[in-house]
Amino acid sequence: SQELEQSPQSLIVQEGKNLTINCTSSKTLYGLYWYKQKYGEGLIFLMMLQKGGEEKSHEKITAKLDEKKQQSSLHITASQPSHAGIYLCGAPPGGTSYGKLTFGQGTILTVHP
Amino acid sequence: GAGVSQSPSNKVTEKGKDVELRCDPISGHTALYWYRQRLGQGLEFLIYFQGNSAPDKSGLPSDRFSAERTGESVSTLTIQRTQQEDSAVYLCASSQQLGGEYGYTFGSGTRLTVV
Repeated sequence: SQELEQSPQSLIVQEGKNLTINCTSSKTLYGLYWYKQKYGEGLIFLMMLQKGGEEKSHEKITAKLDEKKQQSSLHITASQPSHAGIYLCGAPPGGTSYGKLTFGQGTILTVHP
Repeated sequence: GAGVSQSPSNKVTEKGKDVELRCDPISGHTALYWYRQRLGQGLEFLIYFQGNSAPDKSGLPSDRFSAERTGESVSTLTIQRTQQEDSAVYLCASSQQLGGEYGYTFGSGTRLTVV
């Protein structure tokens, strides 16, 4: 079965700093979702990457998909306290199984003002 | 409604009791998913429904777990004879199509505590 490993597991940064979170898959990536979760709340969809080399941005958050490395990275520029939360990556197990996702363990981001 | 609604938001039940969790998806979303998030662990897929197709139940952990969906509307997840290991946040999500190219919309979850 597919496994997604996120690194780092937790991250503490000062406001204004840039940061990167990585998500590495044990198998071929057919797509990759990034979500953000705040305590006690549901997951907020950030973006989905479908093709190798694809890069998407949403406000100050940019994500890339490297098919060869079976990895995706999420980069936050000039972090703000509002970026704090748990970042989760999720991937479908195969090209025809988009209905279910395997998720990473999450990266806990803390941003100090 | 504007988002995915789940009820109850919190449920405490005694071991051995049955519980029913409800999910109201976004109107028009044909696909509906249930996930479980146990403390300190990642999200686990449980089941998804897509239109009139047979649901994919491959993630249900045991036969104590079942789920139903009425058309493209409300879904209920039922756990019979609850055990302490069933304690978790149960998250429901919906999307316009299977796979959710635009992402699944998740509800806030039901926090289940089995005592």
